[in-house]
Amino acid sequence: QVQLVQSGAEVKKPGSSVKVSCKASGGTFTNYVISWVRQAPGQGLEWMGRITPILDMTTYAQRFQGGLTITADKSTRTVYMELRSLRYEDTAVYYCAMGEVSTGWQALWGQGTLVTVPS
Amino acid sequence: DIQMTQSPSFLSASIGDRVTITCRAGRNIITHLNWYQQIPGKAPRLLIYSASTLQSGVPSRFSGSGSGTEFTLTISSLQPEDFATYYCQQSYSANSFGQGTKLE
Repeated sequence: QVQLVQSGAEVKKPGSSVKVSCKASGGTFTNYVISWVRQAPGQGLEWMGRITPILDMTTYAQRFQGGLTITADKSTRTVYMELRSLRYEDTAVYYCAMGEVSTGWQALWGQGTLVTVPS
Repeated sequence: DIQMTQSPSFLSASIGDRVTITCRAGRNIITHLNWYQQIPGKAPRLLIYSASTLQSGVPSRFSGSGSGTEFTLTISSLQPEDFATYYCQQSYSANSFGQGTKLE
């Protein structure tokens, strides 16, 4: 049974970068798509982007173009999300989520990683 | 990015009620529409995909319908564990979510 295990909470200064990891334990992830979704405190879900590891192909939401990089290390079954030029408004819980390549939904989610950017 | 709009944003209901949440897409997404449930402090849970297919393990009181630009999620008889926030998501062009409907 595949589980997605994310790295721990981070506190970052404004203007810095954060890199959050998401490891697929208990199975493979190369035939899947890993997406990143964030949720600011008290707010809704925001899709950020995704990677298809088997193709090394990424897609980003328009508002994150240029500031977000998603990468995958197939040897360790780990996907990384790096967000640059952090602002207070980037304070959120960041989730990774997995879906099959042929579908567009995400049936398996990580536990979430809180990233705090103090004002 | 395709804009997704849910209504209502808040919905007050009681145990046993039948409730319906609506999701509208900014353009035709055929049936590329998914529904998630989120309990505070937890990750979202996939309920329905492709507009009307129930995810494995999801109770049959949940159902989805619609196509094109208008979709609905119906809970036929509310149970205590159903009080949560519900999100629609389009998967026609990458992904985007509706703003959520809090069921209280």
